[in-house]
Amino acid sequence: EVQLVESGGGLVQPGRSLKLSCAASGFTFSNYYMAWVRQAPKKGLEWVATISTSGSRTYYPDSVKGRFTISRDNAKSSLYLQMNSLKSEDTATYYCARSGVVLNWFAYWGQGTLVTVSS
Amino acid sequence: DIQMTQSPSSMSASLGDTVTITCLASQDIGNYLSWYQQKPGKSPKLMIYGATNLEDGVPSRFSGSRSGSDYSLTINSLGYDDEGIYHCHQYYEYPLTFGGGTKLELK
Repeated sequence: EVQLVESGGGLVQPGRSLKLSCAASGFTFSNYYMAWVRQAPKKGLEWVATISTSGSRTYYPDSVKGRFTISRDNAKSSLYLQMNSLKSEDTATYYCARSGVVLNWFAYWGQGTLVTVSS
Repeated sequence: DIQMTQSPSSMSASLGDTVTITCLASQDIGNYLSWYQQKPGKSPKLMIYGATNLEDGVPSRFSGSRSGSDYSLTINSLGYDDEGIYHCHQYYEYPLTFGGGTKLELK
């Protein structure tokens, strides 16, 4: 059974940093692109980042480019999201999601971890 | 960026009804579209991929279709378990984008 378990969320002040983790199991992690998708309270879904199988290629929307960094450790079947210079508009539930190839749907999602950016 | 305009933003229907939710893509995305169902406090669940392909385990009451740049999710024989928010998603190119969501409630 595919499982994605996020951790690392919490309350953080504007301008500070936070690192999210996602532990994957139930599939060969190194064979899949992985992504982060977020959802602000009572809002729609917003794609945040995608990383290739080896980690050599990463993709971001303009809203987080230069502030967020996605990475992975295939030996640990783990995905990460380093978030720097956080803003109030980054407040959201962050989901880890399994993609497929370069451009693909999200077949599996974690339960999400809430990040609140507030002073 | 590709804009996905989803409609309606909310709707109410009765048990047994057939409902249709639509997403209009701002440019050609081929069949690179998926649909997700999200229940309150839960993560999204994949329902349809490739515009028309039913994900394993999803009831056949759900179907996806395409007409040009208009993509539709149709639910037949609506049941209480179908309540939730439905999201469309284009994966034709980066940045990946989602529609604004449709909240479906049963009367």
